[in-house]
Amino acid sequence: QVQLQESGPGLVKPSETLSLTCTVSGGSMSSYYWGWIRQPPGKGLEWIGYIYYSGSTNYNPSLQSRVTISLDTSKNQFSLKLTSVTAADTAVYYCARRLPVAGLFDPWGQGTLVTVSS
Amino acid sequence: DIQMTQSPSTLSASVGDRVTITCRASQSISSWLAWYQQKPGKAPKLLIQKASNLQSGVPSRFSGSGSGTEFTLTISSLQPDDFATYYCQQYKSYPYTFGQGTKLEIK
Repeated sequence: QVQLQESGPGLVKPSETLSLTCTVSGGSMSSYYWGWIRQPPGKGLEWIGYIYYSGSTNYNPSLQSRVTISLDTSKNQFSLKLTSVTAADTAVYYCARRLPVAGLFDPWGQGTLVTVSS
Repeated sequence: DIQMTQSPSTLSASVGDRVTITCRASQSISSWLAWYQQKPGKAPKLLIQKASNLQSGVPSRFSGSGSGTEFTLTISSLQPDDFATYYCQQYKSYPYTFGQGTKLEIK
């Protein structure tokens, strides 16, 4: 079965760029969408965006000016870049597979905490 | 954006109880609603899609209902493994949005 694992720095300085990678194992990335969702400590979930295996993307308008999601199918990976981060971007970041016919996410990675602090 | 509002925010219940969580959308989302279960320190798990369709492997004590703007998640007989936080999510339109969560606690 498909499994996802996030990786990347756990600490990012304000105004810098947050970069995370999600590695997909146990299945092909073809014909699926691959997304990012975040959860600030003690708060609810926020959808960040997703990328289709063809490379097309869709972002949350609230983050669109700062977000880039990219794909490397040769490595079975997709990545998130979030620029000009502030403390409000501190969150657990999850990668997840979006189902082909609907905007549902299943499965999810275990999540990685990224703290924005100097 | 479509706002999703869950109630209650916290629910205290006992093993064996029947519990219901409500999710309201700020505009009609037809049946494009999902429910997720999240345990502390873990990723959310998809339970129900299209308001009432159980994912494979989800116990039948879970059920979902509703359409339009009002939805419910019901657990017919609470088991110890069910104490967690539950989130609804609309996928009718972008951006996808989630409810703020309902924490189900042991009484």
